[in-house]
Amino acid sequence: GEQVEQRPPHLSVREGDSAVITCTYTDPNSYYFFWYKQEPGASLQLLMKVFSSTEINEGQGFTVLLNKKDKRLSLNLTAAHPGDSAAYFCAVSITGNTGKLIFGLGTTLQVQP
Amino acid sequence: GPKVLQIPSHQIIDMGQMVTLNCDPVSNHLYFYWYKQILGQQMEFLVNFYNGKVMEKSKLFKDQFSVERPDGSYFTLKIQPTALEDSAVYFCASSNRVGNQAPLFGEGTRLSVL
Repeated sequence: GEQVEQRPPHLSVREGDSAVITCTYTDPNSYYFFWYKQEPGASLQLLMKVFSSTEINEGQGFTVLLNKKDKRLSLNLTAAHPGDSAAYFCAVSITGNTGKLIFGLGTTLQVQP
Repeated sequence: GPKVLQIPSHQIIDMGQMVTLNCDPVSNHLYFYWYKQILGQQMEFLVNFYNGKVMEKSKLFKDQFSVERPDGSYFTLKIQPTALEDSAVYFCASSNRVGNQAPLFGEGTRLSVL
């Protein structure tokens, strides 16, 4: 079945620096991709969804890049601030399946002032 | 905006007891999910539910687990009997279609089995 690997597990950056989190997946039928943010004790908040080839989606302070050829998904926080400190998860859904998401292991991001 | 509500937020029970975790999904959603997250580990799919039936379940969804949504009320996860390894945070999620819509997650119920 699908396997999603997320790197790094922990990331510490200074305020204003960029932070990059990457996921790779194995199933070529993977079609829908999501990034979630989880603050301590809280639920998962959707940051971005993407489902096209080599797509770049820009959000508020971050960019998501999908490269289906390399089976790689990345989240780039362009100028991190302390409010970005949280756990980030990528999730993958396979074409035609039942809506099940396969999650990466997560990345704990700490942004220091 | 719409929210998925989970009740209670924390439940402590003795091993071997039964527990029911309750989820109030978004009102017009049709697909419902349970995920399990052990502290410091990834979110893992347990089961999804549509039109009164389980659509898919993972190997983590043991025989002691069951789900139901009687008469459009709470979507529940029942564990009977509980085991120590069931201690985790259980997240409920819902969506009104599968595929390109990201499920909306609740805030989770922390289950502690002693």
